[in-house]
Amino acid sequence: GAGVSQTPSNKVTEKGKYVELRCDPISGHTALYWYRQSLGQGPEFLIYFQGTGAADDSGLPNDRFFAVRPEGSVSTLKIQRTERGDSAVYLCASSLRGGSTGLNEQFFGPGTRLTVL
Amino acid sequence: KQEVTQIPAALSVPEGENLVLNCSFTDSAIYNLQWFRQDPGKGLTSLLLIQSSQREQTSGRLNASLDKSSGRSTLYIAASQPGDSATYLCAVDTGANSKLTFGKGITLSVRP
Repeated sequence: GAGVSQTPSNKVTEKGKYVELRCDPISGHTALYWYRQSLGQGPEFLIYFQGTGAADDSGLPNDRFFAVRPEGSVSTLKIQRTERGDSAVYLCASSLRGGSTGLNEQFFGPGTRLTVL
Repeated sequence: KQEVTQIPAALSVPEGENLVLNCSFTDSAIYNLQWFRQDPGKGLTSLLLIQSSQREQTSGRLNASLDKSSGRSTLYIAASQPGDSATYLCAVDTGANSKLTFGKGITLSVRP
């Protein structure tokens, strides 16, 4: 079956602009995660959705970052007034249930490489 | 705060060698640990997940072990092949909404 998909694969924008990054999770997965990966680093957690609600947004760096998942499937990460420091690969992951079960295997999409000039 | 360390950052081995990749974490109160593979410019591929109650998991030529009390995991790759060349990341789930904390990864190069 289809895995996690993300669009666009690459996004180049200018400082100060607004961008939206999209994630399509695996069908039936209720949990969705966004991570950000800078060059040479491991991914860092941004936000977690259980269904339609953001259960944990503690990783969002500031209020320029916002994410939604209105129907409990597709999610959009929105970045306002982009800065050069926002340049990174944004990864989306989904899992069947989420939560603290120990069985929560996360499956990742290919990522969106964001470059802010 | 959970910290995950993977040393060394890079490793180069000849084809056919058996090798061990190490991962250490500071907080032993984990729910599971996952090993991922990342090819250049690509996303993460899940290799193995070890629950906190387990000691090891195997998939093909890969074997991952977990020692929670000492905060260590190893990924054993048997009979390495050039196609195994990639970055290997470990990540721990400490149960706080199952968000993963990652190490920086080990970049493996297997020479033909």
